[in-house]
Amino acid sequence: GAVVSQHPSWVICKSGTSVKIECRSLDFQATTMFWYRQFPKQSLMLMATSNEGSKATYEQGVEKDKFLINHASLTLSTLTVTSAHPEDSSFYICSASRGHLWGDEQFFGPGTRLTVL
Amino acid sequence: QKEVEQDPGPLSVPEGAIVSLNCTYSNSAFQYFMWYRQYSRKGPELLMYTYSSGNKEDGRFTAQVDKSSKYISLFIRDSQPSDSATYLCAIDAGGTSYGKLTFGQGTILTVHP
Repeated sequence: GAVVSQHPSWVICKSGTSVKIECRSLDFQATTMFWYRQFPKQSLMLMATSNEGSKATYEQGVEKDKFLINHASLTLSTLTVTSAHPEDSSFYICSASRGHLWGDEQFFGPGTRLTVL
Repeated sequence: QKEVEQDPGPLSVPEGAIVSLNCTYSNSAFQYFMWYRQYSRKGPELLMYTYSSGNKEDGRFTAQVDKSSKYISLFIRDSQPSDSATYLCAIDAGGTSYGKLTFGQGTILTVHP
């Protein structure tokens, strides 16, 4: 099966610092990657969609200058939380898909737990 | 009104029970319907997907979609302790929005021996 990894799995940082989270598709090329955020006991909320080589598309209410997304290759997308604050503490999950057609399943990474002190 | 509403649970059932998980949605344009299972501190794992009204079976799991009522269900037969997890319904509008999943709140299921 297709495997998506995330690194780091857990990060603690001080308020005001930036944190980069990597999402990699290990055994397939991901045309599209998605970034989700999940607060405790809540569901996943889509933050943005990124296509390789293009600028990410952000969902309404998500600050593009705060959550920088780069999808530089078909196997790697990064999410950088800039000037992180405690309210950014959450579980960040990426998913990757081979394409844009029905049947192109999204494979989810294991998530990254961010704690901002 | 949220686009997708899921019975929050939590549910606690004995091993061997039949489990019913349910979601309703508001947008009749939604085309694709999925159920994911998420273990604690892990990413979601796809269980079932369908795009038409009716039932779809896969082993002990049956997904049911009623587009006229905007209602989707997941049934688990002969539930096992290993089924204990959070179950999320997810819906995809398709078209130009394909892949942008809208998730329900999730139902925590515990199957006790």
